[in-house]
Amino acid sequence: AQSVAQPEDQVNVAEGNPLTVKCTYSVSGNPYLFWYVQYPNRGLQFLLKYITGDNLVKGSYGFEAEFNKSQTSFHLKKPSALVSDSALYFCAVRDGRGSTLGRLYFGRGTQLTVWP
Amino acid sequence: DVKVTQSSRYLVKRTGEKVFLECVQDMDHENMFWYRQDPGLGLRLIYFSYDVKMKEKGDIPEGYSVSREKKERFSLILESASTNQTSMYLCASRGPRVGVTEAFFGQGTRLTVV
Repeated sequence: AQSVAQPEDQVNVAEGNPLTVKCTYSVSGNPYLFWYVQYPNRGLQFLLKYITGDNLVKGSYGFEAEFNKSQTSFHLKKPSALVSDSALYFCAVRDGRGSTLGRLYFGRGTQLTVWP
Repeated sequence: DVKVTQSSRYLVKRTGEKVFLECVQDMDHENMFWYRQDPGLGLRLIYFSYDVKMKEKGDIPEGYSVSREKKERFSLILESASTNQTSMYLCASRGPRVGVTEAFFGQGTRLTVV
């Protein structure tokens, strides 16, 4: 069965410091991995995705994510956090087979707070 | 830019009412999804549709139904609203069935059932 774990409900970091939001996954076949961000009372916005190729994926707003197949992880990172990065972050996975018709499986979300 | 529009941002309904949540996308996407979001539970899939008049149950379909008569519109129906259906509802759409494309989300409908 497909699943995503975000082990931290909350991540707190000072502005200017690097941030990491963790994600591990379980999937049959090759994984397709996504990160989304949600600001208060808004829908989810796409940040980046991994399909194949380079393990380091760059996305919107200076975010990047590192795919690690052996650890089944896809951690979201940013070298220097901004207060405006404070939001709820979701990791999602879709497996490489066609049987699930493209549905995504989401983690429970990690609340990132960046303080000034 | 892809636009996914949900008909209401906030909705208050009474227990037992039939409730319709509408979602429209403007990019000719085949796949459309309805999720509900609750604190600590993340996003849970209610129903999805991969074509007109086609629907598949997600993880929590009980108490809900859907309708997709036109490609651009996917409606979520609460047959008889109950207080445990108070939640944030998110609609999403995604492009071709083949290929790995991201989903695009609407702004959400916060439904309160009293």
